[in-house]
Amino acid sequence: EAQVTQNPRYLITVTGKKLTVTCSQNMNHEYMSWYRQDPGLGLRQIYYSMNVEVTDKGDVPEGYKVSRKEKRNFPLILESPSPNQTSLYFCASRGDSSYEQYFGPGTRLTVT
Amino acid sequence: AQRVTQPEKLLSVFKGAPVELKCNYSYSGSPELFWYVQYSRQRLQLLLRHISRESIKGFTADLNKGETSFHLKKPFAQEEDSAMYYCALLNSGYSTLTFGKGTMLLVSP
Repeated sequence: EAQVTQNPRYLITVTGKKLTVTCSQNMNHEYMSWYRQDPGLGLRQIYYSMNVEVTDKGDVPEGYKVSRKEKRNFPLILESPSPNQTSLYFCASRGDSSYEQYFGPGTRLTVT
Repeated sequence: AQRVTQPEKLLSVFKGAPVELKCNYSYSGSPELFWYVQYSRQRLQLLLRHISRESIKGFTADLNKGETSFHLKKPFAQEEDSAMYYCALLNSGYSTLTFGKGTMLLVSP
């Protein structure tokens, strides 16, 4: 089954404790993105990647890092999480010849 | 800079009533526009894209370049249409999808 998976689905952590949210897709897609979803703000793009080793900042990249060492994986790294990064995070992927983005199930992060 | 505006946070209608979810955009090039839907506790999924001019689940959306709008319409709302709807614009490099803030549609029996 074609899908985008994220782990963990729920995470509660404390300020300053480094964490990684993994994202994996099995569709051989070139494009992958991370979004955060906040009430009243909709979805905002954090980072995106157009292919292996090619990443770029989205609209709200501060406090986040990404890497794309393999085509299928696009982890989101929070080196020193802060409470304002409490949010619902979505990973998405898209093939080069398609406009449709496939979204993961979301990761709900709470930073206390 | 590209921007997508959805002026209504919440739209509440009765079953069988017509629905129009508004979307306006700001973009200097030729826009690629989409509607995504998020049902309760589910992931976002593509509902419509303007290129295909399809009707999905009874919804249609027409791109009006003069008014820079891409409103989503359905003639008769169903309870299962209750969800969050996002209008989105794909940039010319096909790398960035800019979302509006979303409109929650509630369809009451």
